[in-house]
Amino acid sequence: GAVVSQHPSRVICKSGTSVKIECRSLDFQATTMFWYRQFPKQSLMLMATSNEGSKATYEQGVEKDKFLINHASLTLSTLTVTSAHPEDSSFYICSAQGFNQPQHFGDGTRLSIL
Amino acid sequence: DQQVKQNSPSLSVQEGRISILNCDYTNSMFDYFLWYKKYPAEGPTFLISISSIKDKNEDGRFTVFLNKSAKHLSLHIVPSQPGDSAVYFCAATPIAYSGAGSYQLTFGKGTKLSVIP
Repeated sequence: GAVVSQHPSRVICKSGTSVKIECRSLDFQATTMFWYRQFPKQSLMLMATSNEGSKATYEQGVEKDKFLINHASLTLSTLTVTSAHPEDSSFYICSAQGFNQPQHFGDGTRLSIL
Repeated sequence: DQQVKQNSPSLSVQEGRISILNCDYTNSMFDYFLWYKKYPAEGPTFLISISSIKDKNEDGRFTVFLNKSAKHLSLHIVPSQPGDSAVYFCAATPIAYSGAGSYQLTFGKGTKLSVIP
């Protein structure tokens, strides 16, 4: 099946640090990539949708200057959490979608800000 | 406001028996529904989907039923196996309205299925 690689799987860093998370589709071209955030015992909450070569569309309440998304190619999207603070600690997960295909998910990144 | 609801946070089933996971939705614009399975420390894996033009879709041991009038869908797993133990997420999208061949999903909170040997 389709494979989506997300890296790193876990990050622990100090408050004020910027953290970059990569999401790659390994065996298909992803016309669209999605970034989600999940709190414990909650559903996956969509943060933003990005199409290759264009600006990401952010969901209401998500700060675009805080969560920078770059979708430079059909196989790579990055999420940068800028100047991260403890309240940004969460589980971030990406998904990639080819044309008229289901979304395929990465394994997520556990971000812990001290 | 939770547009996709999975009211049972957990479910335990004996191996070999049927597992039935339920999902309700409130948005009448939703017309494509998916089930994902998630193991700990892994991302969700696509399992099965159903379009609103159907009321049933079957794939091996997995069958999804859709009742549009009740805004309810269910995933049946039969026979259940210990390897099916995971968190199951129901997701929905108004695919007909999204265009461009891609679509955003709205997820439920998930149901943790435990299959007891």
